[in-house]
Amino acid sequence: AQRVTQPEKLLSVFKGAPVELKCNYSYSGSPELFWYVQYSRQRLQLLLRHISRESIKGFTADLNKGETSFHLKKPFAQEEDSAMYYCAPNQAGTALIFGKGTTLSVSS
Amino acid sequence: DAGVIQSPRHEVTEMGQEVTLRCKPISGHNSLFWYRQTMMRGLELLIYFNNNVPIDDSGMPEDRFSAKMPNASFSTLKIQPSEPRDSAVYFCASTIGTSGGARAKNIQYFGAGTRLSVL
Repeated sequence: AQRVTQPEKLLSVFKGAPVELKCNYSYSGSPELFWYVQYSRQRLQLLLRHISRESIKGFTADLNKGETSFHLKKPFAQEEDSAMYYCAPNQAGTALIFGKGTTLSVSS
Repeated sequence: DAGVIQSPRHEVTEMGQEVTLRCKPISGHNSLFWYRQTMMRGLELLIYFNNNVPIDDSGMPEDRFSAKMPNASFSTLKIQPSEPRDSAVYFCASTIGTSGGARAKNIQYFGAGTRLSVL
């Protein structure tokens, strides 16, 4: 069955601390992996996708097919990073399978 | 483009009433998705359409829920009769789907959501 696990419901860190939001997935075929973010009072939006290999807002994510993981990392968290983060595998033309999400809270 | 447009933004209704949520996808997108977000269950897919045809409705909770996409620019999600446990934020998303270029396809664009409260 398609499944995404984000083990942490809430992650609280101080400004400047490193951040790692974990994501493990179980998915048949070769999905593309995404991280979506929902800032307070804003719509869900794409943060990054593994095929682009970009760093967005200082965040990176490496796809580890052996461990079926796609953890999201940032070396120095900022207060504006506080949001809900969703990991989602997807194949074109199908729906995203979301994890339960991790709320990141960055305080000064 | 204004993005995915959902209406209403907020809906408060009484148990037993019919509720209709509306979505206008981005022009040119051929896949449309309805999701529900709750604190307990996170984001769940309800149903999605490709080229106006329902592909997977296995996430629709029960017969009280129905969704239609009469044309490429409009979709509705109806709950009849509504119950308090239906209270949630309902999101619509669209994507260019498999017809898009390699970079464009697969990215889903979300509406602002409809916050439904059933009393």
